[in-house]
Amino acid sequence: GENVEQHPSTLSVQEGDSAVIKCTYSDSASNYFPWYKQELGKRPQLIIDIRSNVGEKKDQRIAVTLNKTAKHFSLHITETQPEDSAVYFCAATDSWGKLQFGAGTQVVVTP
Amino acid sequence: EAQVTQNPRYLITVTGKKLTVTCSQNMNHEYMSWYRQDPGLGLRQIYYSMNVEVTDKGDVPEGYKVSRKEKRNFPLILESPSPNQTSLYFCASSANHNEQFFGPGTRLTVL
Repeated sequence: GENVEQHPSTLSVQEGDSAVIKCTYSDSASNYFPWYKQELGKRPQLIIDIRSNVGEKKDQRIAVTLNKTAKHFSLHITETQPEDSAVYFCAATDSWGKLQFGAGTQVVVTP
Repeated sequence: EAQVTQNPRYLITVTGKKLTVTCSQNMNHEYMSWYRQDPGLGLRQIYYSMNVEVTDKGDVPEGYKVSRKEKRNFPLILESPSPNQTSLYFCASSANHNEQFFGPGTRLTVL
């Protein structure tokens, strides 16, 4: 089955700086890679996703890149703000179409 | 309003006392699943259902049961809860295997 590894587990950044979270996956048939944000005490919510036929996707201050050859994908947050503080999860679909999540990254944005 | 609901939101119980956590969605989604979230382990899938009367095991199914008698409902059943099932549980639904909409979560403590 699919195995998704996510790094780092915690990330502290100064407000205004950029944050990068990296994930690797094992199943070369994976074709969908979403990122979820979970604020404290809340449910995970989709913030951006990318499919295997696209190398990069951007939505305002967040962007995701995908390297299919290396089987890794990354989330980039620019100009971080305090409201970006949350746990971020990457995920990848396995060859059965089932989502497998990474362990999560706790992002703390300090003013 | 499109949503996934779960009940109860909080539950404290004792070892061996059967319990059911309900999940309902109003988006006519075929695909529903249950996850448990534990610190450092991310979101691990317990069971999923691709349609009415079709269910299958996820990554951590031991000690859990599910049923899908109607499209909108997907209850999680713990026949004999144990302390290692203390966790935060999320139900999710999607129109396909891709974007998942999560319920608000159920925090379960088994004493």
